[in-house]
Amino acid sequence: GNSVTQMEGPVTLSEEAFLTINCTYTATGYPSLFWYVQYPGEGLQLLLKATKADDKGSNKGFEATYRKETTSFHLEKGSVQVSDSAVYFCALRDNSGGSNYKLTFGKGTLLTVNP
Amino acid sequence: DAGITQSPRYKITETGRQVTLMCHQTWSHSYMFWYRQDLGHGLRLIYYSAAADITDKGEVSDGYVVSRSKTENFPLTLESATRSQTSVYFCASSGRDSGGAIQYFGAGTRLSVL
Repeated sequence: GNSVTQMEGPVTLSEEAFLTINCTYTATGYPSLFWYVQYPGEGLQLLLKATKADDKGSNKGFEATYRKETTSFHLEKGSVQVSDSAVYFCALRDNSGGSNYKLTFGKGTLLTVNP
Repeated sequence: DAGITQSPRYKITETGRQVTLMCHQTWSHSYMFWYRQDLGHGLRLIYYSAAADITDKGEVSDGYVVSRSKTENFPLTLESATRSQTSVYFCASSGRDSGGAIQYFGAGTRLSVL
């Protein structure tokens, strides 16, 4: 079956530090990949996405590149801010057919950025 | 208000009671989902729906029931609440244009079963 594995947190950084949150996946065929973010007390919201190999998703200074050869979709940001403190979820959507409108989520990584 | 709303935001109940969590969306999205979020488990899918009157079980559906008589509503019922169902519950919806991939989440319902 499909699965998503992301680095366990929590991750604690100082403001302006470089961020990497690792995400690897197992899926049949060629899935679409996503990063969702959950700010404190809120529901999840889409941060960025990539639909095919070598695509780079980007938003709000965050980037992730769909690497088929390493089955990875690592999230990066060059300089984090306190306002980036949140839980980050990696997810995939299986495009191989059937009931493929579900997302498979990783367990989430809590990021705390200190001033 | 436009968007996706969940009610109640907080609920305390006792074991054995029936509880219904409400979810309403105003976008006429075809797809709707219920998740629960627990420490150490991340987000787990309870039930999902492709359209009115079409629902499917997710990975943790035991003890839960859903219905979808109207496109905009997707209530989740705990038939006989247990302490293990203490959790934060999220409803989400998605349009056909994204094939369900881009999901919009409600603010959640925090449920405590005593």
